[in-house]
Amino acid sequence: DGGITQSPKYLFRKEGQNVTLSCEQNLNHDAMYWYRQDPGQGLRLIYYSQIVNDFQKGDIAEGYSVSREKKESFPLTVTSAQKNPTAFYLCASSTGTIVQETQYFGPGTRLLVL
Amino acid sequence: AQSVTQPDIHITVSEGASLELRCNYSYGATPYLFWYVQSPGQGLQLLLKYFSGDTLVQGIKGFEAEFKRSQSSFNLRKPSVHWSDAAEYFCAVALTSGTYKYIFGTGTRLKVLA
Repeated sequence: DGGITQSPKYLFRKEGQNVTLSCEQNLNHDAMYWYRQDPGQGLRLIYYSQIVNDFQKGDIAEGYSVSREKKESFPLTVTSAQKNPTAFYLCASSTGTIVQETQYFGPGTRLLVL
Repeated sequence: AQSVTQPDIHITVSEGASLELRCNYSYGATPYLFWYVQSPGQGLQLLLKYFSGDTLVQGIKGFEAEFKRSQSSFNLRKPSVHWSDAAEYFCAVALTSGTYKYIFGTGTRLKVLA
C-alpha cells in the first residue's frame, strides 16, 4: 500500500537535546512538508521541499532543521533552540507544490518534553 | 492579511441530524478552498476542494460544501450525520499567487450523540 509513515508515534525530549522525527513516503511524490499542530490552532508550516536536495523555510522554521537527501525521506530535527517543542507534528507529501495538488498526510508524531 | 475563520470550536449533533460547519476566509484574490477531516491522533484527510466552476462541490463520505463569494464563505454540510463522522474538521485556503502557501483554520470538533 502506498502512503506516508511517521515514526515514532510518541517522542520524548529532554532539555537541551536534539531529536529527529522520521517521515517516509512511497507515493513517488516530489514535494514533502512538515507542519506543527498545537491545540486550538490550525496547522502551521515549518519547512517544505519541492525536490531532492532542496528545501524552503515555512512560517515557523526557527529551531528546526530538515534534510532531503532522498526522494522518499524528509526527516525533521527539533533542535535545542526550539524552546516550546511540545506539539503534534504532521508530515505530508504531494506530487508537486502548486496549490491544486492534494496533500497526503502521515499519522503524525507527538513530541513531549520531559 | 489572509485568514481563515472557523467560528465554532465545538459542535454537537445527534446521529441522523443534518450538519453545517462554517468557514469564512479573507483573501483578496480568488481562493482555492479545502476541507480536511482529522480523527483523533491521526493525520488529515482531504474531504473536498474548490478551485473554480460549480460553487457546490461534492466530496467523500457524503459531504458537500458551497462557495459563496459574496459572503466569503465555504461552509461544509452533510444531510445525515453518522457516529463515525465524529472528528475535527479544518477549512483551509491556498493562496493562488506566488509560492506555495496554505492557511488553515483553527478547526471545529464535531461530537455525535447516539
